[in-house]
Amino acid sequence: SQQGEEDPQALSIQEGENATMNCSYKTSINNLQWYRQNSGRGLVHLILIRSNEREKHSGRLRVTLDTSKKSSSLLITASRAADTASYFCATGASGGSYIPTFGRGTSLIVHP
Amino acid sequence: DAGVTQSPTHLIKTRGQQVTLRCSPKSGHDTVSWYQQALGQGPQFIFQYYEEEERQRGNFPDRFSGHQFPNYSSELNVNALLLGDSALYLCASSLGGPGYTFGSGTRLTVV
Repeated sequence: SQQGEEDPQALSIQEGENATMNCSYKTSINNLQWYRQNSGRGLVHLILIRSNEREKHSGRLRVTLDTSKKSSSLLITASRAADTASYFCATGASGGSYIPTFGRGTSLIVHP
Repeated sequence: DAGVTQSPTHLIKTRGQQVTLRCSPKSGHDTVSWYQQALGQGPQFIFQYYEEEERQRGNFPDRFSGHQFPNYSSELNVNALLLGDSALYLCASSLGGPGYTFGSGTRLTVV
């Protein structure tokens, strides 16, 4: 079973626009991570946010976490064609497990 | 500094056969996890190895087994292959914390 569920499943935007992806989860977590995957190859770790954090930034990425709503969002600002990829949220369960449990992902296409 | 290396890149096997996939972790990492990713799905956790022992296991049958060697490299073995085992198999290494480094994966096709 998968812990996180990303929304939307697919997103198509123009270069320069912002892209927002959401992730909802069901059980308590100690951290939430976002990964990127290009063309069905390996995943690249983008950012980790811990359960006691509400917002985190990394370059053009902004991640928020709302533990009361069990949800997170990933914002990519000023998107580029190179941002075209699948994006996954992965939750680490509370109780110390760091093994990420992945959702189905959001497929992002950025048109040049 | 080499990242996670997986071999082979692609593999075609016949139903009922056995397969072994290999993974070399990122330098300095001692924990190896294996994931299965079916087409259009997210990665599913198979198991994790630490200090040459299986530390945690996901919801996969006993046909899936693994091993970790003293140099922290790891193998994933799948016996009695089924068509449904066709997937991208990902290896990830870490120091036990949440920062995982993934390899590029092995694409297994069972015919």
